[in-house]
Amino acid sequence: QVQLQESGPGLVKPSQTLSLTCIVSGGSISSGSYYWSWIRQPAGKGLEWIGRVYSSGSTTYNPSLKSRVTMSVDTSRNQFSLRLSSVTAADTAVYYCARESVVVVASIRLYYYYMDVWGRGTTETVSS
Amino acid sequence: DIQMTQSPSSLSASVGARVTISCRASQSIRNFLNWYQQKPGKAPKLLIYTASTLQSGVPSRFSGGGSGTDFTLTISSLQAGDFATYYCQQSYSTPPTFGQGTKVEIK
Repeated sequence: QVQLQESGPGLVKPSQTLSLTCIVSGGSISSGSYYWSWIRQPAGKGLEWIGRVYSSGSTTYNPSLKSRVTMSVDTSRNQFSLRLSSVTAADTAVYYCARESVVVVASIRLYYYYMDVWGRGTTETVSS
Repeated sequence: DIQMTQSPSSLSASVGARVTISCRASQSIRNFLNWYQQKPGKAPKLLIYTASTLQSGVPSRFSGGGSGTDFTLTISSLQAGDFATYYCQQSYSTPPTFGQGTKVEIK
């Protein structure tokens, strides 16, 4: 079955750019009605959706982070990436990558998204 | 953004108990509602999508209901492995947003 594995630096200095990669195994990143997403969770807190990327490169970002986020996909390596610029201590969190499946009800033009496969997460700390 | 509010924030229950968690959206989200289970140090796991559809492999003691603004997750008979934090999430509009979580603890 499809598995996801995040990788990142672990520690980033304030004002720098955090770069994360998620490797997809057990299936093609280009197959099916799937989007590829990033979600984060500060220690002891709730979940925040960062954004999603499709295999075509099309992206959708959380407006609260949009000015600092860039997502991309590398179909040849079966992986996708997140770049978060100008980081501060508030960006310290566990970052998860996830597959978002989509169920389409074409007759009524409804698109149901849900995150059905998750990576284990990578802890990223912003500190000088 | 659509705000999701869960209640209670935490609860204590015994093995075998029936447990219901509520989730309320700040506006109607029809049935665009998903539920996740998260254990300490682990990633969330999808339990239910479209408010009431059980994800493959999830035990049938989990069930979801509701539409519009009010939703529930019910565990019919709590098992030892069910002690975790549960999150609802709306997918009606972007950005998807999560509730603050409900922690289910052993009584």
